[in-house]
Formats: sequence, structure tokens, C-alpha cells
Amino acid sequence: AQSVTQLDSQVPVFEEAPVELRCNYSSSVSVYLFWYVQYPNQGLQLLLKYLSGSTLVKGINGFEAEFNKSQTSFHLRKPSVHISDTAEYFCAVSDQRAVDSNYQLIWGAGTKLIIKP
Amino acid sequence: GAVVSQHPSRVICKSGTSVKIECRSLDFQATTMFWYRQFPKKSLMLMATSNEGSKATYEQGVEKDKFLINHASLTLSTLTVTSAHPEDSSFYICSAITPSGRALEQYFGPGTRLTVT
Repeated sequence: AQSVTQLDSQVPVFEEAPVELRCNYSSSVSVYLFWYVQYPNQGLQLLLKYLSGSTLVKGINGFEAEFNKSQTSFHLRKPSVHISDTAEYFCAVSDQRAVDSNYQLIWGAGTKLIIKP
Repeated sequence: GAVVSQHPSRVICKSGTSVKIECRSLDFQATTMFWYRQFPKKSLMLMATSNEGSKATYEQGVEKDKFLINHASLTLSTLTVTSAHPEDSSFYICSAITPSGRALEQYFGPGTRLTVT
């Protein structure tokens, strides 16, 4: 079964500093990968996704992520963070169910990004 | 495009009562909707997959008689928490996919905060 690991439950970083949020997954087949952001008391918003093609994916709000198949990772990066980036970030991986052929998302536990002024 | 709304955004109810949460796709038809539950400081837990015109598919461990799901139209799915108890207090999030899409392209609602007293 697929699983997603976000090793860091919290990442504190100073404003305007770079940040990397780590995501590793386990899968024996090709995968689709996603990063979502959740601002306080809000739903989830898609930041970026990797379906195929270039392994470097650019998303909204200046975020990007790199798919590394050999390391089974999909780390999220931003070169310079802002206070407004304070949120919870979730990594997710697709999981095609054999029963109904419908893709399901497997979620990581989330990483809270804390921006220090 | 692809906006999903939820109503209400917050609800407080007394133990033993039932609460209905609505999930609507505002500008597209959603043949499939998903219901998630999010515990504090934890990831999303998929509760069930709701398909228009058919019975919902519940994940293992989710009581279908307690969490009633109805997907009566292509734009509306409802989750009714029956005989709610304090342990049902949580953040409930729905998502939807377009008829041509898969779970790779989920659009999330803003969530409903349920508090059972």
C-alpha cells in the first residue's frame, strides 16, 4: 500500500528566508504527486501537482517542487517566504484502487510552516 | 472555475441531534464527491466516496448509519451526522471532481467545523 511521509510536523523559518518542506512516498508503480496548502480555518488549495513530464514543477505563490523518483521524494521549496505563507502544507499521492479504477489520494500528516518576523 | 462550497461553515449542536452538511459544486457538474474528516493537527481521513445516483462507498471503519451521505444531484452531496456525540466534533471537508476528471483533480470545499456539546 502506498504511504506518504512528511517528516517535519513544524518548520519555523524567518521571513524572506528559503524553505524546504519534505515529502517522501512509498510506491512500486508510477505515481502522481500533489502539494496542498491549508490556511487557518479554511479548506485545501492546490499548490502544484506532478502528473508527468518535467520533474521540476512550479506552482502558485512562488512555490515549486521536484519529483525525484530514485529517492521517492517530492520536496516543496520556496526561495523567499512571507508572513502570508503561514499555513499547513499537505503532500498527497495518488492511489489507483483496483476495485473501481478510481484514483484516491493518500495524504501525508502535514507540515506547519511558521514564519518568524 | 471549479468552485466548491460548503454550508454551513460552522455549526454547534447538542449531543443526540442530527446535523446536515451540504457540499455544492457551483460551476461544474460533479459526478463524484469525496467526504473527508480532519482531526486537530492531523491529516485528512477519507470517509466516503459519493457518486451521483448511487450509494456512497464508505472507507473501512466509517459507520455508514451514522454518517449518511446523499448525492441526489450532479451539484449537491450532503453528509448527515446522525445522533451526534462530542467525539464527532471535527472539521469536515468535501471535494469534487468533474465528470471527465479523476481524483487527480479534486476541488475542495472550505470545510465545516462541527462542534457537538
